[in-house]
Amino acid sequence: GIQVEQSPPDLILQEGANSTLRCNFSDSVNNLQWFHQNPWGQLINLFYIPSGTKQNGRLSATTVATERYSLLYISSSQTTDSGVYFCAVVSGANSKLTFGKGITLSVRP
Amino acid sequence: EADIYQTPRYLVIGTGKKITLECSQTMGHDKMYWYQQDPGMELHLIHYSYGVNSTEKGDLSSESTVSRIRTEHFPLTLESARPSHTSQYLCASSPRRGLSYEQYFGPGTRLTVT
Repeated sequence: GIQVEQSPPDLILQEGANSTLRCNFSDSVNNLQWFHQNPWGQLINLFYIPSGTKQNGRLSATTVATERYSLLYISSSQTTDSGVYFCAVVSGANSKLTFGKGITLSVRP
Repeated sequence: EADIYQTPRYLVIGTGKKITLECSQTMGHDKMYWYQQDPGMELHLIHYSYGVNSTEKGDLSSESTVSRIRTEHFPLTLESARPSHTSQYLCASSPRRGLSYEQYFGPGTRLTVT
C-alpha cells in the first residue's frame, strides 16, 4: 500500500514564529487532507488539497502531486495551534484514507 | 461544517461487557468509516461502508462488527470488551463523488476497558 511520511515528528515554536510541515507519499493520490487533532482528540479538517495551493487565514497548503509531497505552512503561530497535525491520502481505486504518523507541534507563549 | 455525531464521548467499562458505539451523520453521505487510534499514534481504518447494507473490513484487523441499515447511522459493536480494545474510535463520512472527496470526522469515542 501507499506510504505516508511526515516530518519533522516534533516541532517546538515560540509564539509568533512561522513553520513548515511536510508530507511525502509514495504513489499518486486522488485525495490529500491535512488535519489538526486538538487535545480532546477531535480531528479538525484543515485542507482538502490533492493538488495546488490553498490558503485559510494564517494557514496555507501546497501539494505538488507530480513530486509526491505536500506542505502545510503556519504563519504567526499561536498557542492554540498546538496539537498533532496529520496528513492523510487516498490512492488508487478505493476510498480509504492512509494516515501519516503525525507531527506534534508545541507553541510556547 | 460537517454534522457527524458520536456517542458516548467517553466510556469506561468492565471486561466481557457488550458495547455499541454510535455514529450518525445528517449530510446524506453514502460512505462511512470507523478508525481506531491509540494514544500518540496514527489512525487505522477498521471498517467502512459504501452505502446501506454494505460493510467491509479495513486495513487493521478488529474484533468489532458494524452494520449499515440506514444511510445516516453506522454503529460499531464489541460483543465482549477486553483491555486490548482500549483506544479512541473515530467515525467519518464522505459523499459519493467519484474517486476524489473529503472525509469529515466525528468527535470520537474514548473507550477504556478495565
